[in-house]
Amino acid sequence: DAMVIQNPRYQVTQFGKPVTLSCSQTLNHNVMYWYQQKSSQAPKLLFHYYDKDFNNEADTPDNFQSRRPNTSFCFLDIRSPGLGDAAMYLCATSWRTGQGEQFFGPGTRLTVL
Amino acid sequence: AQSVTQPDIHITVSEGASLELRCNYSYGATPYLFWYVQSPGQGLQLLLKYFSGDTLVQGIKGFEAEFKRSQSSFNLRKPSVHWSDAAEYFCAVGARGAQKLVFGQGTRLTINP
Repeated sequence: DAMVIQNPRYQVTQFGKPVTLSCSQTLNHNVMYWYQQKSSQAPKLLFHYYDKDFNNEADTPDNFQSRRPNTSFCFLDIRSPGLGDAAMYLCATSWRTGQGEQFFGPGTRLTVL
Repeated sequence: AQSVTQPDIHITVSEGASLELRCNYSYGATPYLFWYVQSPGQGLQLLLKYFSGDTLVQGIKGFEAEFKRSQSSFNLRKPSVHWSDAAEYFCAVGARGAQKLVFGQGTRLTINP
């Protein structure tokens, strides 16, 4: 089945230690998104790629970076995680010329010690 | 700019009872509308969507929603809930031609046995 895959599902890191979260998709969608979701809150968009074009949200901290080496993969890099960055990180994909429907991965739960 | 309001943060219903979750949106034209469900520790799963045409849309798991332009609403309904429906429900709106969704704050559904 076509899907969005996130690895790892659970990630523990130490305060200030860089961490990378991975997302891959078999849907061949041209748009990929990264969301941060804290407990009992809506997902908050960090940035998205339309093909190789990177679109950062205005309020996304510089501590968060992303890479998309090819259509299938997208990475979220947190350069110096703080305690406030502990959250669920969701990857999603969509068609640029579609009707806005986004397909979500299962998420990575990040813990910062 | 678009916005979405889910007035109910938490709803409790008995198993077998009917359910209605409210969603109001703000957008100048006809939007794309979505309902997603999120089980604890999981990603978001699309329940149903409205793009155009019939204002009553059917989704998965026995859910339906009705688009009412005059009330700027897109309420989610289910005639008889099951214990497995306990989850967080998010309403989202997208603009035609845009790549991003705006999510409501979510409604947490608890099912009493």
